[in-house]
Amino acid sequence: DADVTQTPRNRITKTGKRIMLECSQTKGHDRMYWYRQDPGLGLQLIYYSFDVKDINKGEISDGYSVSRQAQAKFSLSLESAIPNQTALYFCATSSGGFTDTQYFGPGTRLTVL
Amino acid sequence: QKEVEQDPGPLSVPEGAIVSLNCTYSNSAFQYFMWYRQYSRKGPELLMYTYSSGNKEDGRFTAQVDKSSKYISLFIRDSQPSDSATYLCAMTGTGANNLFFGTGTRLTVIP
Repeated sequence: DADVTQTPRNRITKTGKRIMLECSQTKGHDRMYWYRQDPGLGLQLIYYSFDVKDINKGEISDGYSVSRQAQAKFSLSLESAIPNQTALYFCATSSGGFTDTQYFGPGTRLTVL
Repeated sequence: QKEVEQDPGPLSVPEGAIVSLNCTYSNSAFQYFMWYRQYSRKGPELLMYTYSSGNKEDGRFTAQVDKSSKYISLFIRDSQPSDSATYLCAMTGTGANNLFFGTGTRLTVIP
């Protein structure tokens, strides 16, 4: 079984809808991250969490919120989806901070119409 | 100016060729340098990790860091069709609150 799982893998939604992307990990790591990947822009950090009670904004957090339900679970929400949030979303975990290896999930492809 | 610049390619080479992938960066505080490999419809996975300047070799892969030029490279020797993927450079510094990625270079190795 995969160490980092993401659900759903694909989602098509409409402008204005609320959507939640979920991430679970079995690596036992405290650190979890949400990134989005766009062609020509690479991976950009949305939010990160260094433990259950620690949530931090990344470089592109506007329009997103997160919830760290447990050490193993980190969810990303789009409160009111807009078309320019169409992207590939990745969850990642690490044992240390940004200097440590990050383990990525398989990604969620989100399309906002 | 972006923190990390990477030629997006695409790059297409015949099997057995030597491949050179490169990134430049602007922040002199970066000390941790990584190369991630991303296959189609998969998440990135760490391929090489280098701290500070110098070379690191792992099988057919060699990572080089030249901090004086703010330039990092990944060399792939005897390239194989299974090396076909997007290669992302990434870097950060001590105490940083982000991992800075290049845009990725898409590589195709033709049998």
